[in-house]
Amino acid sequence: QSALTQPASVSGSPGQSITISCTGTSSDVGSYNLVSWYQQHPGKAPKLMIYEVSKRPSGVSNRFSGSKSGNTASLTISGLQAEDEADYYCCSYAGSSTFWVFGGGTKLTVL
Amino acid sequence: QLQLQESGPGLVKPSETLSLTCTVSGGSISSSSYYWGWIRQPPGKGLEWIGSIYYSGSTYYNPSLKSRVTISVDTSKNQFSLKLSSVTAADTAVYYCASSVTAIDYWGQGTLVTVSS
Repeated sequence: QSALTQPASVSGSPGQSITISCTGTSSDVGSYNLVSWYQQHPGKAPKLMIYEVSKRPSGVSNRFSGSKSGNTASLTISGLQAEDEADYYCCSYAGSSTFWVFGGGTKLTVL
Repeated sequence: QLQLQESGPGLVKPSETLSLTCTVSGGSISSSSYYWGWIRQPPGKGLEWIGSIYYSGSTYYNPSLKSRVTISVDTSKNQFSLKLSSVTAADTAVYYCASSVTAIDYWGQGTLVTVSS
């Protein structure tokens, strides 16, 4: 069982927006603004899409955005494109004894 | 831009020790900016953080694996390493080395390690 809870799957049509939630606790998501999101295509390494809750690394499309409220973080993808179909993982810092905790992953299907 | 590359055996026998090395290029492993770590992903499953090390040698381990994990740094070779002892089939996974600051910024391509006799 993963430390952070994500829906197993979400889907949307091209051009639509979807949101993936990531629920943790007051010991991880709720305590630190160090939530990140990763995109993983089959057979590939994860790619950082969002860091520090809502910041985008250079080169990541502005269609990807992040937010947090309390113990729940969210990733929103707007203007869905076929290439967005992938697995998405959230991650939060959880203190020096636990460091990084991940969500179980969400499979995004673009219909 | 940092590049990380894992190396090591792809097959390990049960009860033995899994050993992997990560070679860092494009930057110094002695940089005070980064933590260096290992993350694994069993086939068809999610990501699990194994542990991280700071260039000074301070280590941080997943509590569920702490008794079996050792991560070390070799600054002369710009490498860091993972040792996981007493492996079982449950340790079969793709193992990634990675660097982190406020997120896990850079990842190696991953290497599949299978535990089987």
